[in-house]
Amino acid sequence: GAVVSQHPSWVICKSGTSVKIECRSLDFQATTMFWYRQFPKQSLMLMATSNEGSKATYEQGVEKDKFLINHASLTLSTLTVTSAHPEDSSFYICSARDPPKTQYFGPGTRLLVL
Amino acid sequence: AQSVTQPDIHITVSEGASLELRCNYSYGATPYLFWYVQSPGQGLQLLLKYFSGDTLVQGIKGFEAEFKRSQSSFNLRKPSVHWSDAAEYFCAVGAGNNDMRFGAGTRLTVKP
Repeated sequence: GAVVSQHPSWVICKSGTSVKIECRSLDFQATTMFWYRQFPKQSLMLMATSNEGSKATYEQGVEKDKFLINHASLTLSTLTVTSAHPEDSSFYICSARDPPKTQYFGPGTRLLVL
Repeated sequence: AQSVTQPDIHITVSEGASLELRCNYSYGATPYLFWYVQSPGQGLQLLLKYFSGDTLVQGIKGFEAEFKRSQSSFNLRKPSVHWSDAAEYFCAVGAGNNDMRFGAGTRLTVKP
């Protein structure tokens, strides 16, 4: 149990376009989901906490207008990278919290902005 | 605020040898502790977790970890490493809120 999926697994886009990444909890309901960014050979950096039915909470330094998060249901959260630029290229990982405290992670999405 | 330290950036062990990955945490109360494993280009897989109770926790793939409050440690162990265990290992600590902090990770290389 406790499976989290992400789609797409990788995406290449042109600079200036927007990209949407989906994160789904497949076998449990997740009131809270998290979005992380990971640079090569580094640990995870929390970008934002996504709560179903309310606004996401962003970490300091993360532009909320660039990284739009929507948590419309208990099994789906989306991250939209708006007007993507090459510096947004990264590995994005979501997780879903299965109460009380355990986070289960998706397989990640590799974004390359040309 | 809680923090996690993984002192070893990279560890190399021979296949069949025992393994111990170190994790030290800083947190005022009893933390929630986790170990995750990440293969290249993949997400994180939960190996085991500790919330309370027995301080020796059994996980998947033959891993175990021991919570030692006096040492603020939660070291991961495996008695006999397999080549497929080569990966990046992350220790994480969760607090009473939504927050979870990850260590920098330890990269495990397994020699044949």
